[in-house]
Amino acid sequence: GAGVSQSPSNKVTEKGKDVELRCDPISGHTALYWYRQSLGQGLEFLIYFQGNSAPDKSGLPSDRFSAERTGGSVSTLTIQRTQQEDSAVYLCASSPFGGSYEQYFGPGTRLTVT
Amino acid sequence: RKEVEQDPGPFNVPEGATVAFNCTYSNSASQSFFWYRQDCRKEPKLLMSVYSSGNEDGRFTAQLNRASQYISLLIRDSKLSDSATYLCVVNGAATGNQFYFGTGTSLTVIP
Repeated sequence: GAGVSQSPSNKVTEKGKDVELRCDPISGHTALYWYRQSLGQGLEFLIYFQGNSAPDKSGLPSDRFSAERTGGSVSTLTIQRTQQEDSAVYLCASSPFGGSYEQYFGPGTRLTVT
Repeated sequence: RKEVEQDPGPFNVPEGATVAFNCTYSNSASQSFFWYRQDCRKEPKLLMSVYSSGNEDGRFTAQLNRASQYISLLIRDSKLSDSATYLCVVNGAATGNQFYFGTGTSLTVIP
């Protein structure tokens, strides 16, 4: 079946612009996660959704970052007034139920802020 | 202290060799443990979950040592296709929903 998809695959933006990153999870998966991975670094947790609610936003690095999920499916991660340090690969993952269940990752969006 | 720590390597081993990676975690209340594999410029993919009793999947064996707070991955009879970065993943016990990823151990299997 279809896996997790993300769009765009690559995004180059100028410092100060807003960007929206999209994630389509595996159908039926209730849990959705956003991470970012900077060059040579491990994955950094950003936010977790269970259904449409986000019980854990603790990883969002600043108030410039926000995320929403609608219909228990598609999620968008928005970064306002992008900074160069926001450059990274943003990965989305979904899981059947969350908790201790394994996560399935999308291919990521490579964001470059110039 | 980081939630999850791994030796970054690189580990360069010949084909057919046995190689082992360890990973330590800081939160003794963590309940779920995984090994993921990440190829260059690709997304992480689940390799195997790690169970308390240890588990084996073909050439791969995972072990959990709760007393010492580490998990291990053993790869026997290494193949060229095993070359990748191996990520140790532990869930955060506070909510059970936040997963902590190690920075990964790089493995290159040499012909």
